[in-house]
Formats: sequence, structure tokens, C-alpha cells
Amino acid sequence: NAGVMQNPRHLVRRRGQEARLRCSPMKGHSHVYWYRQLPEEGLKFMVYLQKENIIDESGMPKERFSAEFPKEGPSILRIQQVVRGDSAAYFCASSPLLREGLNNEQFFGPGTRLTVL
Amino acid sequence: LAKTTQPISMDSYEGQEVNITCSHNNIATNDYITWYQQFPSQGPRFIIQGYKTKVTNEVASLFIPADRKSSTLSLPRVSLSDTAVYYCLVAPAGNFNKFYFGSGTKLNVKP
Repeated sequence: NAGVMQNPRHLVRRRGQEARLRCSPMKGHSHVYWYRQLPEEGLKFMVYLQKENIIDESGMPKERFSAEFPKEGPSILRIQQVVRGDSAAYFCASSPLLREGLNNEQFFGPGTRLTVL
Repeated sequence: LAKTTQPISMDSYEGQEVNITCSHNNIATNDYITWYQQFPSQGPRFIIQGYKTKVTNEVASLFIPADRKSSTLSLPRVSLSDTAVYYCLVAPAGNFNKFYFGSGTKLNVKP
């Protein structure tokens, strides 16, 4: 059973370009979460998605950032018109169907390191 | 969401037991305590989770006092490969989870 997969692992973009980060959750997992991590800091929640639905995007900047989790295919985090401050590691996590009364474990991918020149 | 406070860094030597304490004074009744481990250039990995008293698995133990305002992750006989950042998270059970990672505790295990 493959773990959470993210690609690319490293992405270099120039200011003003678009960045597309992909995340394939673990088999059988229907919940996806995106986090951003700046150097020497903890992960910051960005968005939580289920298939074809954004459940919580409270941690995602209102402009230039968007996320989707289509019925078929990976989840995509899209950053338009990137700026240097977007340089960070972006982690995706997935979890199975959530059960009431239990705190479900999130399984993290290896991350995509975005560098904006 | 309950805020957590943990030491920024800790040093230890191989073979020692390491205890990392996390404070969460505002923990709510339905909050669980979860610890994650993160190696450089990798995503976090689940270590252990608990609600109260003591939980033990093959990797670590988690001690939670009756008031649940703190918790202690205990790593027995650490090795160099345990050098990592350890995050304490407090999150409610419910329809979904939204983990908030603080800065974590950077554990440095020396030979």
C-alpha cells in the first residue's frame, strides 16, 4: 500500500509564474489536507478537502492560492503569480473516512519544496 | 483550538531515556493529544496519541495527568536516528481534524 505521494519533490519558479503541486492520497483515503512549512517553523494548516469539496480553507491566502480534489485524479494546490514569500515546503496529508469521537491520524507525504527566484 | 507549549530544543545521548513535556492548559473535553515526529526534508510521522492516563506502543509512551493540562512523550533508549523535531498537537475529535503544529521540540541525540 503506497503512502501519500507528492510531486514534484522540488519545484523552481520565477516570480509571476504559476506553481502546481500534486498530491495523491493513500489508497482508500478520502480526506486531504495541505500544509505549508517555512524554514525552522512548524507546519501551518492551509486547506482541507474531500472529493470534489473544499471543507475548510481558512488557512489559505485569499488571493493567488486555490486547491481542488477532483473525483478522479490527485489533489492540486495551485499558486498563481508566485512571489518570493511563497518559497516553502508544502506538505499534503490524507486520512481515511473519519469516525465520530476519534482523532484520526493523518499520513503525510514527503512534501514539495517550492523555490521562487 | 488549544495552544501548546513545548521546549524549543533538547539534547540527549544515545541510550538515554528522553522525556519531552508539552503544556496545553486550555485543552477541551473532547481534545486528544497527538505527537508527531519530523526528520529533515520529510513529512511528519505519527508517533502516538492519547486522551488520558498512559498510552504505550512499540515506539514511545505518552503520559497524561488527570487534569490533562500537560503531557509527556517518553522515548526509551534513544539512538542517533531519533534526532528529529517532535510536535505536540491537541485537536478535537469530531467531523474532521485540523492539526495546528507549533514550532516543536528539536531533539539532538549525541553519540
